[in-house]
Amino acid sequence: DTGVSQNPRHKITKRGQNVTFRCDPISEHNRLYWYRQTLGQGPEFLTYFQNEAQLEKSRLLSDRFSAERPKGSFSTLEIQRTEQGDSAMYLCASSLVEGEGKNTEAFFGQGTRLTVV
Amino acid sequence: RKEVEQDPGPFNVPEGATVAFNCTYSNSASQSFFWYRQDCRKEPKLLMSVYSSGNEDGRFTAQLNRASQYISLLIRDSKLSDSATYLCVVKPGGGNKLTFGTGTQLKVEL
Repeated sequence: DTGVSQNPRHKITKRGQNVTFRCDPISEHNRLYWYRQTLGQGPEFLTYFQNEAQLEKSRLLSDRFSAERPKGSFSTLEIQRTEQGDSAMYLCASSLVEGEGKNTEAFFGQGTRLTVV
Repeated sequence: RKEVEQDPGPFNVPEGATVAFNCTYSNSASQSFFWYRQDCRKEPKLLMSVYSSGNEDGRFTAQLNRASQYISLLIRDSKLSDSATYLCVVKPGGGNKLTFGTGTQLKVEL
């Protein structure tokens, strides 16, 4: 399977614990996005990377959230001191940006469903 | 005002019906527009891009009205398999993130 891969698929954690999610994008894609989606809503932008550089972060991304893409390939999203309001589906997407900012279709992974109890 | 607004539905239509969804966006500098489809508990997938001149892909037609800042999706001859949530997506000019609407739920019934 050469699509976007996310792990784990599901995560249940107690409030106050830290969690980390991983995203493996399509191998030649240089752009990687993180989104969050709750029931009945569309995906909300969190942050994106161009290669290893984190270029934009949403105001939704509080200090408890941190994302990395150390080698410009896979990315991790960490949530510290989880709260019940963090319960959501966390989606990763990747795309290829070629010269002049031409951006191909963004492909999404199947997401990590987080439940904070 | 939300950046991208859609009627959440649900739209319940009989098989074979024609159904249309609209979406409005607030940023007049937006450059790129898309419709994504999302099945229950699945990831969003690109259905089609929306071009200024309007475009068609089989039973699906997308149109863009820049003056009124709205996008539409028309589905003809609805199939049961068209049941899903349709997400309107806008990419602001000068920006790189995709901004999603809340989605419109479609249920096609026998």
